[in-house]
Amino acid sequence: SYGLTQPPSVSVSPGQTARITCSADALPKQYAYWYQQKPGQAPVLVIYKDNERPSGIPERFSGSSSGTTVTLTISGVQAEDEADYYCQSADSSGTYVFGTGTKVTVV
Amino acid sequence: QVQLQESGPGLVKPSETLSLTCAVSSYSISSGYYWGWIRQPPGKGLEWIGSIYHSGGTYYNPSLKSRVTISVDTSKNQFSLKLSSVTAADTAVYYCARHIATAVTGWFDPWGQGTLVTVSS
Repeated sequence: SYGLTQPPSVSVSPGQTARITCSADALPKQYAYWYQQKPGQAPVLVIYKDNERPSGIPERFSGSSSGTTVTLTISGVQAEDEADYYCQSADSSGTYVFGTGTKVTVV
Repeated sequence: QVQLQESGPGLVKPSETLSLTCAVSSYSISSGYYWGWIRQPPGKGLEWIGSIYHSGGTYYNPSLKSRVTISVDTSKNQFSLKLSSVTAADTAVYYCARHIATAVTGWFDPWGQGTLVTVSS
């Protein structure tokens, strides 16, 4: 089945840049989406269609795509960005799939 | 701004049917969009369960399709999930969300706060 692989964890110092990758099993890659989930809370959309930012999401969040890998970049990381991040896409049959998740720790 | 709220029993016995409802406010379901269910076992990742269009068309995750039914009640502005023959593996936080879908892509925004359902005798 179609899978999206993320690194389990990323550590970053305040003010630095965090990059989280999401690799798809196979082509063709469809648009990817990114969600932020803080402990005990529901996921919140932070990037849609690879690199679009919803209203209300800080400019420090950005997305990019290359081949079958998409990347979420958080520039100038703040303590409040500590959370789990999930990518999401769909396979060729229209089944929606989430990535394995990445825990971002601000140290 | 659209808000979603899940409700239903927090404890279900093995082999029984899990039933949840998602109430939508500040937006009329009959106006459009898909509406979806996603779950998250404790300490684990997210899994899409299925989605329903405002007119009633549905599509499900193939891994759960044989046990899932999603329905919509536009008069009450809510949609529902039924998952049959549950086991401990179905213990999870269940989220409902607006599913923004086109012919080639889709995403979930916003989400309800989620409700924990435990399967145990």
